[in-house]
Amino acid sequence: GQQVMQIPQYQHVQEGEDFTTYCNSSTTLSNIQWYKQRPGGHPVFLIQLVKSGEVKKQNRLTFHYGVSKDSSSLNITATQTTDVGTYFCAGPDRGSTLGRLYFGRGTQLTVWP
Amino acid sequence: DSGVTQTPKHLITATGQRVTLRCSPRSGDLSVYWYQQSLDQGLQFLIQYYNGEERAKGNILERFSAQQFPDLHSELNLSSLELGDSALYFCASSVGGGSSYGYTFGSGTRLTVV
Repeated sequence: GQQVMQIPQYQHVQEGEDFTTYCNSSTTLSNIQWYKQRPGGHPVFLIQLVKSGEVKKQNRLTFHYGVSKDSSSLNITATQTTDVGTYFCAGPDRGSTLGRLYFGRGTQLTVWP
Repeated sequence: DSGVTQTPKHLITATGQRVTLRCSPRSGDLSVYWYQQSLDQGLQFLIQYYNGEERAKGNILERFSAQQFPDLHSELNLSSLELGDSALYFCASSVGGGSSYGYTFGSGTRLTVV
């Protein structure tokens, strides 16, 4: 099966600093999804990127989809303590119509005041 | 409340035992997915059901089985449990059967095998 990799595994920032997590796939993806899991919680869907080179914003969160559709990044500007959690990217089987997603190992974000 | 209901929230059982995890998908969602989350393996896909039919299978152990019922709720059965089966088990649902839909996750079942 394909692999979805994320770096870094951990990121510790001071409140107000920016944060970026990077996602790479071993194959081209038809789409990529991002999820956030708070400590002790469950993953929550944030966004889906479909088009090559796409950039989407959600308030302080900016999502990029690589031109080759095998990479993506999530940037958070001016982090807040509410941003704490693990951010996962996920992609489907290449060329498949199935709904299964391969998740990266996630980037665990810690924000201290 | 995400709309996906998982029961029980916590389960502690002994090695060799069998347990059943239950999931009710969000209203209107036809696909149900089961994932196992452990510290060393991350989120691992187990199985997908779509409108009552098995649609995709991951590296699900033979000791594990699942089904989706006509009312679309799903059960994951884990038997001959081993210590290594201790993990968080998530159920997720989506509207369609393909990958164009985001998942809605339940709050999970934390299984501890002792």
